Amino acid sequence: DTGVSQNPRHKITKRGQNVTFRCDPISEHNRLYWYRQTLGQGPEFLTYFQNEAQLEKSRLLSDRFSAERPKGSFSTLEIQRTEQGDSAMYLCASSRKGLSGGDNEQFFGPGTRLTVL
Amino acid sequence: AQKVTQAQTEISVVEKEDVTLDCVYETRDTTYYLFWYKQPPSGELVFLIRRNSFDEQNEISGRYSWNFQKSTSSFNFTITASQVVDSAVYFCALSPLDTGRRALTFGSGTRLQVQP
Repeated sequence: DTGVSQNPRHKITKRGQNVTFRCDPISEHNRLYWYRQTLGQGPEFLTYFQNEAQLEKSRLLSDRFSAERPKGSFSTLEIQRTEQGDSAMYLCASSRKGLSGGDNEQFFGPGTRLTVL
Repeated sequence: AQKVTQAQTEISVVEKEDVTLDCVYETRDTTYYLFWYKQPPSGELVFLIRRNSFDEQNEISGRYSWNFQKSTSSFNFTITASQVVDSAVYFCALSPLDTGRRALTFGSGTRLQVQP
């Protein structure tokens, strides 16, 4: 399978616990994105990496959230001290930088559904 | 700031009917990309099309067609002869054409139900 993969697919946790999600992008893609989607809404951008550099962060990414992409391949998204409002689907996407420098389309993974009790 | 509006929350049609999903966007960027994604009941977002702001040619791909009108800031999507498998939530999205800014701004989606 050469698509974007995410683990785990589901996570149930208690309020106050820390959780970490992993995303493996399509192998030749150098750009990686995290989004959050709540029920009935479109995905909301959280952050974006080009190789290992985190180039853009949304205001939604509070200080309890941290994302890393240490070797420019897979990425992790950690949420500390989870709150019930963090319950959502967390989506990862990847894209390949175009020849002219422009972006190519973002391909999405299946998501990690987080439920905070 | 960027904004994408999909005013149609839900549309229900009978198989073989044509259906148009509306998308209106706002942006201060002079160059940008527009996208459509499909999210079937399985949940995974599927890329359908990307257009850049300086290419206003309409596009057709099989039963799908897209009408981009910069003058009205709209990027509408038409499915011809709809099928039950077209049932999904469809999202329109926008991103700057700028190497430092790549975030997609999504609309709230239109749920399409195609009845047999």
